[in-house]
Amino acid sequence: SQELEQSPQSLIVQEGKNLTINCTSSKTLYGLYWYKQKYGEGLIFLMMLQKGGEEKSHEKITAKLDEKKQQSSLHITASQPSHAGIYLCGAGNYGGSQGNLIFGKGTKLSVKP
Amino acid sequence: GAVVSQHPSWVICKSGTSVKIECRSLDFQATTMFWYRQFPKQSLMLMATSNEGSKATYEQGVEKDKFLINHASLTLSTLTVTSAHPEDSSFYICSAGGAGVNEQYFGPGTRLTVT
Repeated sequence: SQELEQSPQSLIVQEGKNLTINCTSSKTLYGLYWYKQKYGEGLIFLMMLQKGGEEKSHEKITAKLDEKKQQSSLHITASQPSHAGIYLCGAGNYGGSQGNLIFGKGTKLSVKP
Repeated sequence: GAVVSQHPSWVICKSGTSVKIECRSLDFQATTMFWYRQFPKQSLMLMATSNEGSKATYEQGVEKDKFLINHASLTLSTLTVTSAHPEDSSFYICSAGGAGVNEQYFGPGTRLTVT
């Protein structure tokens, strides 16, 4: 079965610093999703990447997909306290985008003001 | 964007009782909904796939007789935890993706505590 490994598991950064979170899949990726979650709350959709080499940005968050490496990275520029939370990567379990998702264990981000 | 709601947002019940959790797609029709469970400090794990008008598909290790799923309409799926036990205490999240939707939309989750 496919597994997603996220690194690091947790991260504490000073406000204003940049950071990167990685997500590596044990199998070929059919769509890679990034979500943000505050513990005990629902998931907030950030971005979806489908093609190798694809890169998307939303405000100060950029995500890239390296299909060959079966890996995606999430980069936050000039972090703010509002970026704090748990970041989850999810991958489509089938060839399309309508299947269920499997998730990594998450990266807990804390931003010190 | 598409909105998925869950009700209740939290519930406390006594051991042995049953609890029903609703998942609704508010502004789109969802032929498929997914139910996930998240234990403290762990990731989301898929429990079952709910298909409108047919039986749900359960993941290995998930008891179908304990976690009853009903997807009676294109906008509503329900998860009933029967004869709940303290080990069923968890955060339950549903997601929905209809035809033409490229990403799944997640509900806000339901926190279940069984005493």
